[in-house]
Amino acid sequence: GAGVSQTPSNKVTEKGKYVELRCDPISGHTALYWYRQSLGQGPEFLIYFQGTGAADDSGLPNDRFFAVRPEGSVSTLKIQRTERGDSAMYLCASSALAGGRQFFGPGTRLTVL
Amino acid sequence: AQSVTQPDIHITVSEGASLELRCNYSYGATPYLFWYVQSPGQGLQLLLKYFSGDTLVQGIKGFEAEFKRSQSSFNLRKPSVHWSDAAEYFCAVAADPNAGGTSYGKLTFGQGTILTVHP
Repeated sequence: GAGVSQTPSNKVTEKGKYVELRCDPISGHTALYWYRQSLGQGPEFLIYFQGTGAADDSGLPNDRFFAVRPEGSVSTLKIQRTERGDSAMYLCASSALAGGRQFFGPGTRLTVL
Repeated sequence: AQSVTQPDIHITVSEGASLELRCNYSYGATPYLFWYVQSPGQGLQLLLKYFSGDTLVQGIKGFEAEFKRSQSSFNLRKPSVHWSDAAEYFCAVAADPNAGGTSYGKLTFGQGTILTVHP
């Protein structure tokens, strides 16, 4: 399909470990967004890429979180020294242009034991 | 800062009944408003959006929403609910991308309303 894909769909890790979550946006979409959705809550913005650069990373909770998009397509969200509080659904979205309609992927459910 | 409030955490309706989900927003300028639906195991799907113009917007699956600036509301409605509408619904607001700055496109979501449909 031509939608946004995210891998893995589920990730279980232990406290203190490092994880990478991948997002493949719709081909040709220049804008890419990461959100985090905790249980019973709405998604919360983490970071927004326009092309290869992070245009707004104001939602990253602390310096353990980092995201890259080196070629302006696939993006990886990286979490160091994971904590139990990082357990959540991580959603990725892309849009053709900044401010355009966002198409969401199915998410990666991260569980930190 | 922009914010969204969905006062109802959980709503139960009978199939065939009408539905209204409430959404109130806080934003300093003209907001871009959205309603999304999330079903278990599915990604967020856009139901409808309001950018400007006619304050009553039509969406997919028979949904509509009305923007009321005086009440800072953007309530979602459907005249007759189907069992397949059972899901979680999120209202969201975004900054006007034409207003400049780098926050355009960033969605701020409400906490969601879970809809249960009884046969």
